[in-house]
Amino acid sequence: SQQGEEDPQALSIQEGENATMNCSYKTSINNLQWYRQNSGRGLVHLILIRSNEREKHSGRLRVTLDTSKKSSSLLITASRAADTASYFCATDSPLSGTYKYIFGTGTRLKVLA
Amino acid sequence: EAQVTQNPRYLITVTGKKLTVTCSQNMNHEYMSWYRQDPGLGLRQIYYSMNVEVTDKGDVPEGYKVSRKEKRNFPLILESPSPNQTSLYFCASSWTGLLNTEAFFGQGTRLTVV
Repeated sequence: SQQGEEDPQALSIQEGENATMNCSYKTSINNLQWYRQNSGRGLVHLILIRSNEREKHSGRLRVTLDTSKKSSSLLITASRAADTASYFCATDSPLSGTYKYIFGTGTRLKVLA
Repeated sequence: EAQVTQNPRYLITVTGKKLTVTCSQNMNHEYMSWYRQDPGLGLRQIYYSMNVEVTDKGDVPEGYKVSRKEKRNFPLILESPSPNQTSLYFCASSWTGLLNTEAFFGQGTRLTVV
């Protein structure tokens, strides 16, 4: 079952522009995380946001969470070529009573120099 | 250095030949899990373990086995691999299974079953 769905599937921008990607999920959550994956490599944790938080910042990253719409967004400001990667959201599934992490299908970001 | 180590990184095998992908973490994490990543399907959880001797199925457990005899190791076993198990596999660990702490991922194992 797919809990998180990222949108858009792919995004291409110029260096210096901002990149926004969205994640929607189906059932209530306790926590949501964003990860980055460089081509074919392991995922790297970016930021964690809890269900009682609305916004978090980390460097050039800004994450928002709207639990009423069951969605989150990741904004990367002043993008760099090194930001080229795939970005995934991950959610938990407290209603299922299990300890599964559910990842979306990801957004492929390409930053052109 | 905190890390999750998977071996091998690349593996080509034939249908039906048992194989094991090892995963080890040096952070004393209680929670470990395995994922497979396929184009268009994202990451799907295969199995997870809350602690030593405690394992449970994820979303796609068929054809896989795991064991957790020690806290640091969580091997993934394919008893009789089939071509539909060709995929990129990741092991991950974290302090808990509550998604309230970050997960650390291994570098991946690219498996091809012919």
